[in-house]
Amino acid sequence: ETGVTQSPTHLIKTRGQQVTLRCSSQSGHNTVSWYQQALGQGPQFIFQYYREEENGRGNFPPRFSGLQFPNYSSELNVNALELDDSALYLCASRQAGPRASDTQYFGPGTRLTVL
Amino acid sequence: AQSVTQLGSHVSVSEGALVLLRCNYSSSVPPYLFWYVQYPNQGLQLLLKYTTGATLVKGINGFEAEFKKSETSFHLTKPSAHMSDAAEYFCAVSTDNQGGKLIFGQGTELSVKP
Repeated sequence: ETGVTQSPTHLIKTRGQQVTLRCSSQSGHNTVSWYQQALGQGPQFIFQYYREEENGRGNFPPRFSGLQFPNYSSELNVNALELDDSALYLCASRQAGPRASDTQYFGPGTRLTVL
Repeated sequence: AQSVTQLGSHVSVSEGALVLLRCNYSSSVPPYLFWYVQYPNQGLQLLLKYTTGATLVKGINGFEAEFKKSETSFHLTKPSAHMSDAAEYFCAVSTDNQGGKLIFGQGTELSVKP
């Protein structure tokens, strides 16, 4: 059973650019969530996808968007990057619905630096 | 609205001493509570969780936590600290009563002195 993987590991962008981060869920998991962890802070919930539909969003602007694919892999897209977007972005997956699990499993994260 | 407060951004203990990391939560519904550990440059690893049932829960690496509804607390303890326990610890509450959409505390950095 493979765990949650994320790519790339590190990324450097300039202000105003767009970025796409990728996540591969743990095998058998149909729900993925994305979190932003600024330096020295706890992770903040961005949004959650279940069966390719967004079904929950935290306090983040629309320039943060996502996709979930039929194989349950996922993307986080951020447009018009700002300096404050510099953070560790964490992806987490779990099984929801029938035979649901109440535990999320986290990937290692993508470190985004905006210059 | 749910929230989590971790008291003490940094805790330092000697090797072999008791570890106590404090977490208080606010929730309008029966909470699902979690403790995660984060080692430098890594993601989050689940230590333990409380959903329903027994209020004293045991996790990995000798950690345990007790859910106290009257005190709205979920403090993390370990009887004897080990050098390998040095890390950042996060308490979290689920906002959807299914284990998803977590709200995290600010974190507590645990240092272990030899």
